[in-house]
Amino acid sequence: LAKTTQPISMDSYEGQEVNITCSHNNIATNDYITWYQQFPSQGPRFIIQGYKTKVTNEVASLFIPADRKSSTLSLPRVSLSDTAVYYCLVGGFLEAGNMLTFGGGTRLMVKP
Amino acid sequence: NAGVTQTPKFRVLKTGQSMTLLCAQDMNHEYMYWYRQDPGMGLRLIHYSVGEGTTAKGEVPDGYNVSRLKKQNFLLGLESAAPSQTSVYFCATGADDYGYTFGSGTRLTVV
Repeated sequence: LAKTTQPISMDSYEGQEVNITCSHNNIATNDYITWYQQFPSQGPRFIIQGYKTKVTNEVASLFIPADRKSSTLSLPRVSLSDTAVYYCLVGGFLEAGNMLTFGGGTRLMVKP
Repeated sequence: NAGVTQTPKFRVLKTGQSMTLLCAQDMNHEYMYWYRQDPGMGLRLIHYSVGEGTTAKGEVPDGYNVSRLKKQNFLLGLESAAPSQTSVYFCATGADDYGYTFGSGTRLTVV
């Protein structure tokens, strides 16, 4: 399983763009990169997933360089409600026995 | 609404007692997982299942057992609870295109 490294915490202000970078140097060819968001007392929630280049949805963008050894989650114009822990996960998806390994995540604090 | 339902939501056990946590899903997903999350920590995988009738060990399986007799249900059992098992337990299901869906968690305290 590819190990991931993220900053422990980040602070931002409302309206700013937030970029959280995740390192995954030993990512495998078949691995996808997935980001989850977790609010206190709730289970993690899927945000975005990608394999290479750039992926965008209504919530965030995910930038993946050509070597795929890192990825950056971009949250445009954050609000107070984006205060949460963000997890970067790397792994395959369909293979029997596949499982997700969560690191410590990045605790994002959005201030007014 | 479709999703993952965990019961119970809260439980307090005495050391040595047993209990079963139930995870039920109505999304027809093949993969199901049990995680535990200790305060301020990430999630750690306890056991998982890749289909009805199958189970496998994750990172921290000791002290837990699981069963997947029906595709929609994944049970996590504690035969003899210990204070070290005080945690929040999350169930998740997996499918190819939509990521993993988590339940709302079971907060377990062992005294």
